[in-house]
Amino acid sequence: DTAVSQTPKYLVTQMGNDKSIKCEQNLGHDTMYWYKQDSKKFLKIMFSYNNKELIINETVPNRFSPKSPDKAHLNLHINSLELGDSAVYFCASSQRTYSYEQYFGPGTRLTVT
Amino acid sequence: SQQGEEDPQALSIQEGENATMNCSYKTSINNLQWYRQNSGRGLVHLILIRSNEREKHSGRLRVTLDTSKKSSSLLITASRAADTASYFCATDASGNQFYFGTGTSLTVIP
Repeated sequence: DTAVSQTPKYLVTQMGNDKSIKCEQNLGHDTMYWYKQDSKKFLKIMFSYNNKELIINETVPNRFSPKSPDKAHLNLHINSLELGDSAVYFCASSQRTYSYEQYFGPGTRLTVT
Repeated sequence: SQQGEEDPQALSIQEGENATMNCSYKTSINNLQWYRQNSGRGLVHLILIRSNEREKHSGRLRVTLDTSKKSSSLLITASRAADTASYFCATDASGNQFYFGTGTSLTVIP
C-alpha cells in the first residue's frame, strides 16, 4: 500500500564508489522528483522528471543522474561518491509538476566514508 | 539562494496552545505549500494555497498568504504532542522553480 517507496533505507559506502537508489510510486503520478536534505534539514530539489521533460537543478553535479525505466520508477545514480554527498535523499511524486501536492518516500540516508 | 525563509527556526509550546510559523519568499509565486516532517521520516503535504487565495483552512490548520508582502503563515490551533515535527513551506515560483524553506522545528510539550 506504500505510495512512494525507496530502497535502500540506509546506504554506507566509501568515497569514489558508484551507487544507486531506487524509487517507485504506485499513485499513477506523471511527475517524480529527487531531493537532497542536508544535516541542517535544508531540502534542495535535484531533479523533476515526467515522461516529457527532465528539469535539472543547475547546482547538481553531473555525477548525479536520474534514470526512469517507466513512469512509476525514477532511480538515482551517483558516480564517484564524495564525502559531501552524505545526506538523506528523498524521492517524491505528484500528479503534475510543482502545482500539485507531492508525496514523499521515507528517504535514503547515504553516508560516504 | 533559497526562496523560502521561515521564522522562527524553533518553537516550543504547551499542549493546547496555538502555534504560528511564518514563511517569507523572494519572487512571484504560483502557489505555496506547507509540509510536515516527523523526525526520520519523509515529508507529508498539509495544505496548498494558490497565489489568488488569501486564506485557507484544513482542520486545525489555517494558512494565510500575503503576496504583497511575499509571506505566508501557518497557524496550528489547539496543538497536540503529535504535532511535534518540522514544518516547511515550499514555493512554486515563476520560471519553473520550486524551493523549500528552511523549516520551523515545533515542539509541543504534553
